[in-house]
Amino acid sequence: GAVVSQHPSWVICKSGTSVKIECRSLDFQATTMFWYRQFPKQSLMLMATSNEGSKATYEQGVEKDKFLINHASLTLSTLTVTSAHPEDSSFYICSARDGYVETQYFGPGTRLLVL
Amino acid sequence: KQEVTQIPAALSVPEGENLVLNCSFTDSAIYNLQWFRQDPGKGLTSLLLIQSSQREQTSGRLNASLDKSSGRSTLYIAASQPGDSATYLCAVRLDSNYQLIWGAGTKLIIKP
Repeated sequence: GAVVSQHPSWVICKSGTSVKIECRSLDFQATTMFWYRQFPKQSLMLMATSNEGSKATYEQGVEKDKFLINHASLTLSTLTVTSAHPEDSSFYICSARDGYVETQYFGPGTRLLVL
Repeated sequence: KQEVTQIPAALSVPEGENLVLNCSFTDSAIYNLQWFRQDPGKGLTSLLLIQSSQREQTSGRLNASLDKSSGRSTLYIAASQPGDSATYLCAVRLDSNYQLIWGAGTKLIIKP
């Protein structure tokens, strides 16, 4: 079946640094990718929707200048957490939509810890 | 605004029991509903997807039902096993776009 990968799976960084998370669709073209954030014992919260070649659409309350999303190709989207702070520590999950089968496939997630 | 609620938030049962997880949503105008499994610290595994025109889907020991008019879905797990222990999430896809609205999940523990 379709696979979505995320890299890295774990990242620990110092406060103030920027962290880039990659989301790749491995055997299909993803016209749309979604980025979610999940805090401990809470459900997934959609952060933004990105379509290949266009600007991402951010959900209310999500700072677009802090969470930079680039969807430059049909198989890769990146989320950059700029000037990360401890409150940005969370589990970030991406999903990719396979337009041919109208299904979303989820990545394994990236755990970010900001010290 | 669509809201998805899952009850109970946590459930612990002995191995071998049949059990039901509940998911309710406030707006019946959904495209489909999906049940996922999430193991601790891991990503999501899709279990069952029910289109809005369907009433149930089955996969092995799992059966999911959908009643759009009442805004409810249930996930039935037969003959539970310790390996079924995980958090189960339901999510509805809205008619208008591909966005998923998520419930908070039910944490299931199956005791050996």
